Amino acid sequence: GAGVSQSPSNKVTEKGKDVELRCDPISGHTALYWYRQRLGQGLEFLIYFQGNSAPDKSGLPSDRFSAERTGESVSTLTIQRTQQEDSAVYLCASSLAGVRGGQYEQYFGPGTRLTVT
Amino acid sequence: SQQGEEDPQALSIQEGENATMNCSYKTSINNLQWYRQNSGRGLVHLILIRSNEREKHSGRLRVTLDTSKKSSSLLITASRAADTASYFCALTGNQFYFGTGTSLTVIP
Repeated sequence: GAGVSQSPSNKVTEKGKDVELRCDPISGHTALYWYRQRLGQGLEFLIYFQGNSAPDKSGLPSDRFSAERTGESVSTLTIQRTQQEDSAVYLCASSLAGVRGGQYEQYFGPGTRLTVT
Repeated sequence: SQQGEEDPQALSIQEGENATMNCSYKTSINNLQWYRQNSGRGLVHLILIRSNEREKHSGRLRVTLDTSKKSSSLLITASRAADTASYFCALTGNQFYFGTGTSLTVIP
């Protein structure tokens, strides 16, 4: 079956512009995660959706970042007024339900490489 | 930080040798997972070890977990050039945390 898909694969934007990143999880996966990975570094947790529960937004770095998820399907991560430090690869992952998804492996999308000039 | 910290940060070995990577953490965990990442893109799950397990095998991979020392190790035996990648441990407790990663280079 299809894996996790993300779009666009690459995005170059000017400082101050808003960007929207999309993630299509694997069908049937109730948990969805967004991560940020700066060049040569580890993954930084941003936000977690689990079914119809309130999302865990504790990893969002500022109020310029927001994310939505429609039911158990597509999610969008929005970054407003982008800054150069927002340049990174943004990874989305989905998994079957569990205690915060931790009992199950996460399936990752290929990521969106965001460059803010 | 509750993130896992991995060492070494970088490891270079000859093909056929074994590679060992370590992950240390500070919080209590439900389980620990290891992932592999090629070329800075999506991660691929390798293996999950639960907090009540001490060792687990999958093909050429062997993972150990010592909850008293809050550490885990990933051993790749008989390494191949195709094993070249970054390897991350991921902790699952109240949240989900990824380690800082070990960059492995296997020289043919």
